[in-house]
Amino acid sequence: AQSVTQLGSHVSVSEGALVLLRCNYSSSVPPYLFWYVQYPNQGLQLLLKYTSAATLVKGINGFEAEFKKSETSFHLTKPSAHMSDAAEYFCAVNNFGNEKLTFGTGTRLTIIP
Amino acid sequence: EPEVTQTPSHQVTQMGQEVILRCVPISNHLYFYWYRQILGQKVEFLVSFYNNEISEKSEIFDDQFSVERPDGSNFTLKIRSTKLEDSAMYFCANSGQGALGTEAFFGQGTRLTVV
Repeated sequence: AQSVTQLGSHVSVSEGALVLLRCNYSSSVPPYLFWYVQYPNQGLQLLLKYTSAATLVKGINGFEAEFKKSETSFHLTKPSAHMSDAAEYFCAVNNFGNEKLTFGTGTRLTIIP
Repeated sequence: EPEVTQTPSHQVTQMGQEVILRCVPISNHLYFYWYRQILGQKVEFLVSFYNNEISEKSEIFDDQFSVERPDGSNFTLKIRSTKLEDSAMYFCANSGQGALGTEAFFGQGTRLTVV
């Protein structure tokens, strides 16, 4: 079984401030983890993924995430928020024996000018 | 950037009617998926399709749903007799190596409204 929990359905940060979006996973076997972003009226776009190589993963648009097995977490961060980062962010997981992506409920990020 | 295209972007249909949602995949990406997102809820897996057959389906994907590649190119999701609770955003996704640890490219979605 696999699942993902995203804490905070809405997060607001000031432009230039740190972005931290939280994701915790549950998986009975080693997971593959993903962060997707959805801009208004668009599909889901992959930001980054963890596939058991480096635990710190760098993605597009300055985002990165760190896999912490001890905390079963895969939080998404960006040092300095930009107005264009306003979107909905989804954490997802899959693994051997369960290839379908299981998504979290999503976090809507708002950037305050 | 590879792109998955879905049509229509928005469809309104009466309860009990059949709808077909269409997806144009990326060339040579042979793994296909449908997901849906009911307003305010999670993105949920419906079905995966490879080599002209369903490889996995969720409990949501009951007998009223079907998928096919009618012309060997486009990928479709058919809902035979729509219900109010089928109202959702439906996403087609496509990958080149299967979903395990690889990127699934998503379309922009079809918003289905059943009235």
